[in-house]
Amino acid sequence: DQQVKQNSPSLSVQEGRISILNCDYTNSMFDYFLWYKKYPAEGPTFLISISSIKDKNEDGRFTVFLNKSAKHLSLHIVPSQPGDSAVYFCAASEDQSGTYKYIFGTGTRLKVLA
Amino acid sequence: DVKVTQSSRYLVKRTGEKVFLECVQDMDHENMFWYRQDPGLGLRLIYFSYDVKMKEKGDIPEGYSVSREKKERFSLILESASTNQTSMYLCASSLPNNQPQHFGDGTRLSIL
Repeated sequence: DQQVKQNSPSLSVQEGRISILNCDYTNSMFDYFLWYKKYPAEGPTFLISISSIKDKNEDGRFTVFLNKSAKHLSLHIVPSQPGDSAVYFCAASEDQSGTYKYIFGTGTRLKVLA
Repeated sequence: DVKVTQSSRYLVKRTGEKVFLECVQDMDHENMFWYRQDPGLGLRLIYFSYDVKMKEKGDIPEGYSVSREKKERFSLILESASTNQTSMYLCASSLPNNQPQHFGDGTRLSIL
């Protein structure tokens, strides 16, 4: 049972435009969400996170939006750059449980076209 | 900068062998994790540890065990390797209180 879902395996965007990556979750106990970026032959690197007490968090070109009622989060990258081409994973955890376990989605491969 | 080092980038082993994957972090992190990454399945948690000599099962612990004798080192053991354990293995570490996990570059393990 996939508790965190990324329904788009791939996405192509023109350089300079907005990239929107989506993630849905089913467990209403999740209260902390993260996005990771992964280049080939490297480990995932942390990008941005959001707590369930917020609905938006911004860091430079990256913004994460959280819609708790829809159990949906999205990552916006503006403007997109060729170096953003990578696989993006969303992850969720139950902060209050104290286990610090992440449940990851299956990833979305973003290709930014020059 | 946090450094998580996995001992091998590529490893080829035979079915039935006992396989050790080593991971070392240099930031005195309490938490350490082992994942495997497979196409279409994302990252799945195998085992994790909150402290020295502590271990907890993740979502897919069958066929694996772990060892954490020192705070900086977390080892993943495949007791008797099988072909379905061919995968990319990723180690991560973090501070407590849900701080982001930092990942190593992975070990691509092939079981023949």
